[in-house]
Amino acid sequence: GDSVTQMEGPVTLSEEAFLTINCTYTATGYPSLFWYVQYPGEGLQLLLKATKADDKGSNKGFEATYRKETTSFHLEKGSVQVSDSAVYFCALSRISGSARQLTFGSGTQLTVLP
Amino acid sequence: DGGITQSPKYLFRKEGQNVTLSCEQNLNHDAMYWYRQDPGQGLRLIYYSQIVNDFQKGDIAEGYSVSREKKESFPLTVTSAQKNPTAFYLCASSMAHGYTFGSGTRLTVV
Repeated sequence: GDSVTQMEGPVTLSEEAFLTINCTYTATGYPSLFWYVQYPGEGLQLLLKATKADDKGSNKGFEATYRKETTSFHLEKGSVQVSDSAVYFCALSRISGSARQLTFGSGTQLTVLP
Repeated sequence: DGGITQSPKYLFRKEGQNVTLSCEQNLNHDAMYWYRQDPGQGLRLIYYSQIVNDFQKGDIAEGYSVSREKKESFPLTVTSAQKNPTAFYLCASSMAHGYTFGSGTRLTVV
């Protein structure tokens, strides 16, 4: 079955540092790939997505490229801020009827220090 | 604004009691989902529904039940058969191009 493996956390960085959170996946066919962010006590918000190989998703300075040859979708940001502190989830989806089932990684806790 | 409303945000129950978590959406989405989140783990699918009056088990359905009598509503009942019910529960809905999550209900069973 489908699976997503994320870099284990927690990750602690200083403000303005470079961020990489690794994500690899196992799936047949061509799933869509996502990064979600969860702030304390809240639900998940979509950060970015990519729907086909070589697509680059980007939002709020974060980027991730769908690499089919390495089955990866690593999240990067050139300069993190304290407000980026949150849990980040990598996920893939495939469609079953009208439902879009998501398979999540275990999440990576990011803390950015001032 | 359209969205998903989960209530309550915090819920406490005694062991052995059934409890129902509410999820309402006004996005006109066909599909709705319930996920469970435990510390240090990703989200695991409990149940999902593609249309009214139809739903399917997810990966961890044991000890849970759902209903989908209206398109807007997908309540989750945590029964006394669920061995470890204390968790953060997230409801979501989707159309073809996107998933929307509620803000979650934290259930604590004492």
